[in-house]
Amino acid sequence: EVQLLESGGYLVQPGGSLRLSCAASGFTFSNYAMSWVRQAPGKGLEWLSAISGGGDSTHYADSVKGRFTISRDNSENTLYLQMNSLRAEDTAVYYCAKGLYKWNSQNDYWGQGTLVTVSS
Amino acid sequence: QSALTQPASVSGSPGQSITISCSGTSSDVGANNYVCWYQQHPGKAPKLMIDDVSNRRSGVSNRFSGSKSGNTASLTISGLQAEDEADYYCSSYTTNNIWVFGGGTKLTVL
Repeated sequence: EVQLLESGGYLVQPGGSLRLSCAASGFTFSNYAMSWVRQAPGKGLEWLSAISGGGDSTHYADSVKGRFTISRDNSENTLYLQMNSLRAEDTAVYYCAKGLYKWNSQNDYWGQGTLVTVSS
Repeated sequence: QSALTQPASVSGSPGQSITISCSGTSSDVGANNYVCWYQQHPGKAPKLMIDDVSNRRSGVSNRFSGSKSGNTASLTISGLQAEDEADYYCSSYTTNNIWVFGGGTKLTVL
């Protein structure tokens, strides 16, 4: 059974940093791209970033490019999102999601999300 | 990259059919066949229902179908059931090699 468990969500001050983790199990992690998607309270989904199965290709939405960095450790079956220069508008539930293929693709399994709150 | 355009809400009675539109541009929906639809119930993670415009995922009822014409994709749900009440999001791959979501549509089963 595919399982994705996000962690690392916290209350952080504007300008601060946070690293989210997503522990994956139930599938061959390195064979699939992974993504981060967020949802602000009461709002819609926003795609943020994706990384290929081998970790050699990454893509970012303009809203987070230069501030967020996606990475993965295939030996630990873990996906990461390093978030810097956080703003109030980054407050959201952050989901990690498994891609259908090794490249940036649609997402067939999602975690339950971790809440990030940016506030002073 | 702008979000795709969906109606904020649609409604229908049990047994009826509804269609949710997803309007994009020649840089996203119109550029390829990588359009998908997610269903999200309150407090839950999204669930992939349709991928590659019209491919129904395993376990998804055949009451759900997807299509595309030009820059607009559509999700049709036939034989509406109470359990279909949820938020629905379209998503498309873009020529910038990123994904973009629609704003979401709240489906109410009357």
